[in-house]
Amino acid sequence: TQLLEQSPQFLSIQEGENLTVYCNSSSVFSSLQWYRQEPGEGPVLLVTVVTGGEVKKLKRLTFQFGDARKDSSLHITAAQTGDTGLYLCAGGPGSQGNLIFGKGTKLSVKP
Amino acid sequence: EAQVTQNPRYLITVTGKKLTVTCSQNMNHEYMSWYRQDPGLGLRQIYYSMNVEVTDKGDVPEGYKVSRKEKRNFPLILESPSPNQTSLYFCASRLWTGGSYEQYFGPGTRLTVT
Repeated sequence: TQLLEQSPQFLSIQEGENLTVYCNSSSVFSSLQWYRQEPGEGPVLLVTVVTGGEVKKLKRLTFQFGDARKDSSLHITAAQTGDTGLYLCAGGPGSQGNLIFGKGTKLSVKP
Repeated sequence: EAQVTQNPRYLITVTGKKLTVTCSQNMNHEYMSWYRQDPGLGLRQIYYSMNVEVTDKGDVPEGYKVSRKEKRNFPLILESPSPNQTSLYFCASRLWTGGSYEQYFGPGTRLTVT
């Protein structure tokens, strides 16, 4: 069974701080995605990484795919209150061609 | 605007009363799926469809039905809802971009079964 474990589960920080969240698996994935979900809304795709070692930047967010394509990290620089939300990683494809989702990291950025 | 729509957004019903949650996408995606999201359990796939008239079970299909008669629509049917189906439901459609999938989610349907 392919599983993705995210850590930490919860993270509460002050505005301006840096943070990193992790997504780990014992399985190799062809690609890995990060989504952000705000309360009462559906997840929104932030980025997809497909090559081992790949690094992608989206403004203050930096995403990295592990060399072995089993893990990924999301680093946020100088967090803002608007970064608050649930961050989900998803690896694919699974055995049924589906996306395997982690349980998420709930981030709260306080002013 | 490219989007996935779901209706209703909120639904309170009673045990055993059949209900349908509609889902529609305007992006001409072949792959569509339904998820439920529960605290501590994350997103779990209920059913998916790779194209019209092709559907298959996901991880938690018990108590649910789906149909895919048209490419754009993928309704979720609960024939006899039970309280353990109280959850937040998301429809999604997906596009293969040549290197990976891009998945688009609807806004969610919060279902309460009493």
